[in-house]
Amino acid sequence: GAGVSQSPRYKVAKRGQDVALRCDPISGHVSLFWYQQALGQGPEFLTYFQNEAQLDKSGLPSDRFFAERPEGSVSTLKIQRTQQEDSAVYLCASSLPPREQYFGPGTRLTVT
Amino acid sequence: AQSVAQPEDQVNVAEGNPLTVKCTYSVSGNPYLFWYVQYPNRGLQFLLKYITGDNLVKGSYGFEAEFNKSQTSFHLKKPSALVSDSALYFCAVRDRGPNDYKLSFGAGTTVTVRA
Repeated sequence: GAGVSQSPRYKVAKRGQDVALRCDPISGHVSLFWYQQALGQGPEFLTYFQNEAQLDKSGLPSDRFFAERPEGSVSTLKIQRTQQEDSAVYLCASSLPPREQYFGPGTRLTVT
Repeated sequence: AQSVAQPEDQVNVAEGNPLTVKCTYSVSGNPYLFWYVQYPNRGLQFLLKYITGDNLVKGSYGFEAEFNKSQTSFHLKKPSALVSDSALYFCAVRDRGPNDYKLSFGAGTTVTVRA
């Protein structure tokens, strides 16, 4: 079946702009995760949803970062007033607990 | 707290030779352990996992990994590497406690297989 999809694949934002990144998980996967991958590093956990409930947002780096999954399917990661340090690849993953997480292709965000 | 170390930034091998990518972990209890591979401009692709049972785990594309509790290691291996195995490999750990959903990744190892 279809895997995890993310859009846009690439986003260039000027410093101070707001951005919204979308994730479509695998159908039926109740768990959804967002990770941030800086250049040359492994992914770092941002936040976790179980259905529509955001159970862990401990990895969000600041209050400029906000994630939602209102109907327990599609999720959006929003970054307000982007800064250069927000430049990274943002990965979305979904799973059917307790099985492994399946990752999307990521959105590469570049803040200029 | 859980963490993963991949001591080698790069591994270079000739096609047909054995490939080993090292991983050590730190976790409070018994871990879940994973290997993922990342090709350029693509997301992470699941290779294999250790949950319980046999310490030798077999995964996709001829890869296997050996869980060694005493050495807290989970090295990835392939008996005969292919040029197409050239990619970025990540080891990851997940605890079995209340935060058993959260993956912690190593920094990654770039594998180059030369023809």
